[in-house]
Amino acid sequence: GENVEQHPSTLSVQEGDSAVIKCTYSDSASNYFPWYKQELGKRPQLIIDIRSNVGEKKDQRIAVTLNKTAKHFSLHITETQPEDSAVYFCAGGRGGGNKLTFGTGTQLKVEL
Amino acid sequence: GAGVSQSPSNKVTEKGKDVELRCDPISGHTALYWYRQSLGQGLEFLIYFQGNSAPDKSGLPSDRFSAERTGGSVSTLTIQRTQQEDSAVYLCASSPLQGNQPQHFGDGTRLSIL
Repeated sequence: GENVEQHPSTLSVQEGDSAVIKCTYSDSASNYFPWYKQELGKRPQLIIDIRSNVGEKKDQRIAVTLNKTAKHFSLHITETQPEDSAVYFCAGGRGGGNKLTFGTGTQLKVEL
Repeated sequence: GAGVSQSPSNKVTEKGKDVELRCDPISGHTALYWYRQSLGQGLEFLIYFQGNSAPDKSGLPSDRFSAERTGGSVSTLTIQRTQQEDSAVYLCASSPLQGNQPQHFGDGTRLSIL
């Protein structure tokens, strides 16, 4: 089955700096990679996703890159703000309603 | 439209009791997932219903855990003879079966075993 590893487990940045979270996956057939943000006591919410037919996707301050050859993908948050503080989960799967495998999460703290 | 709905939002029960947790997925979503999240931890996969196929039960931690999905919509997760280590937030998610579509999560049920 799929195995997704996520690093770092905690990340602290100064407001305005960039944050990068990295994930690797093991199943070469995986073709769908969403990222979720979970604020304390709240549900995980999708913030961006990427499919294997593209290498990069951007939405305002958030971008995701995918390297299929190396089987890794990364989340980039620019100009971080305090409200970006949360736990971020990456996930990978074969799509089509197939089971997603989640990373272990990254606690991002944006300090003033 | 309405999102994934879970009930109850909180459940406190005594060790040894049975509990039932309910998930009402987004209308039209044929895939439904249950996860468990302990305090400060990641998402632990429990079980996955995909359309009319047999469910993937590979994540259920013991035979005290079971789930069913009636009529392809509402799902119930049952935990029998609860133990203190069952205390966690139980999250349900749903997604369309076709294409690469994200899972949408409910708010979860916070289960506390005394």
